[in-house]
Amino acid sequence: DTGVSQNPRHKITKRGQNVTFRCDPISEHNRLYWYRQTLGQGPEFLTYFQNEAQLEKSRLLSDRFSAERPKGSFSTLEIQRTEQGDSAMYLCASSSSGGTQYFGPGTRLLVL
Amino acid sequence: DAKTTQPTSMDCAEGRAANLPCNHSTISGNEYVYWYRQIHSQGPQYIIHGLKNNETNEMASLIITEDRKSSTLILPHATLRDTAVYYCIVRAGYNTNAGKSTFGDGTTLTVKP
Repeated sequence: DTGVSQNPRHKITKRGQNVTFRCDPISEHNRLYWYRQTLGQGPEFLTYFQNEAQLEKSRLLSDRFSAERPKGSFSTLEIQRTEQGDSAMYLCASSSSGGTQYFGPGTRLLVL
Repeated sequence: DAKTTQPTSMDCAEGRAANLPCNHSTISGNEYVYWYRQIHSQGPQYIIHGLKNNETNEMASLIITEDRKSSTLILPHATLRDTAVYYCIVRAGYNTNAGKSTFGDGTTLTVKP
């Protein structure tokens, strides 16, 4: 069991640039979740997939955010035209059919 | 998902049991209680979960009251490495439409030498 992996672990970008993060779930897990966490707060739900279908999106997921899971395996989260308020830890988790969610190490984004 | 209430912070002496409470008075019959912890700059780590019976694993014990409106996570012999933020959440379980987990701000546990 290799666990959930996320890349990159850290990303520094300038305001207005686009960034893309990747999440590789635990191999047999059909559900994949994205969360965002700012300093001192608990993780906040962004969106989740069952296989390749995106089943729920939070109001936090503005038009500048898009997530995909094209083959039901890995997922990408893209942020277009980044803003300083996008600076946060982006967490990915996976589970089997609503069971326990296991989290990855996160990608820390800093927008300058 | 039901809302949970946890104390903001707690201290515990190294080697002693750490008892972390959580209130979830609006929990539904099909919702489980899950506990995670997060050590600085890492992703949340799953600890334990339960529906109504008490549960124990190699990391901790979970005690759920009979009315299921509250629970306690017990770390039997706390070490300095148990210093972390502990989150209690409630969500529906396996083979349901359970999606997101709703995290509060958790309890910051500080284990002191």
